[in-house]
Amino acid sequence: QKEVEQNSGPLSVPEGAIASLNCTYSDRGSQSFFWYRQYSGKSPELIMSIYSNGDKEDGRFTAQLNKASQYVSLLIRDSQPSDSATYLCAVEKGRRALTFGSGTRLQVQP
Amino acid sequence: DADVTQTPRNRITKTGKRIMLECSQTKGHDRMYWYRQDPGLGLRLIYYSFDVKDINKGEISDGYSVSRQAQAKFSLSLESAIPNQTALYFCATSEGSSSYEQYFGPGTRLTVT
Repeated sequence: QKEVEQNSGPLSVPEGAIASLNCTYSDRGSQSFFWYRQYSGKSPELIMSIYSNGDKEDGRFTAQLNKASQYVSLLIRDSQPSDSATYLCAVEKGRRALTFGSGTRLQVQP
Repeated sequence: DADVTQTPRNRITKTGKRIMLECSQTKGHDRMYWYRQDPGLGLRLIYYSFDVKDINKGEISDGYSVSRQAQAKFSLSLESAIPNQTALYFCATSEGSSSYEQYFGPGTRLTVT
């Protein structure tokens, strides 16, 4: 079992729709969770962090965390073609470093 | 100016050559990291450093070495490059024990022929 799992996609949504990206993790002791956006050939960019169960909203982005189910998700409302990218889920690993999932490729169709 | 810089941005080298990738940061962060990214495999941690005297191996450190010359500088070396080290290499920084948020440099595309 991978430590952080994501569906590789591509996830295709029409412009204006809600995109839902999911991530599961194996280490129950993890406390910090992050979503990064990566455009092709570019470096990962931090877009959300979440530390407590529940929802955290920032503009069109909402991160959701359920530690009991070991599940973290990212919702993107009113999706735009510029949101087309790979989204990486990262989980804190033993207070030392982050473990990244392999990413979900999102395509927003105009 | 960018907070995290990497040099070179692109490099083509031959099998067996020694190569160094450099990373500098102006964020004042204590922690620095080196990752490699291969298609379909995500980011994999090579080495990380919590301060100048604290350097740790990541999950794929074989064939690599690092040097933390100063708080702001962290270099990655490939002592004898091999073709399967062809990848995109990223340096990242984080503040320290109070935050695990990591900020990435622009990356170095390395090709070993």
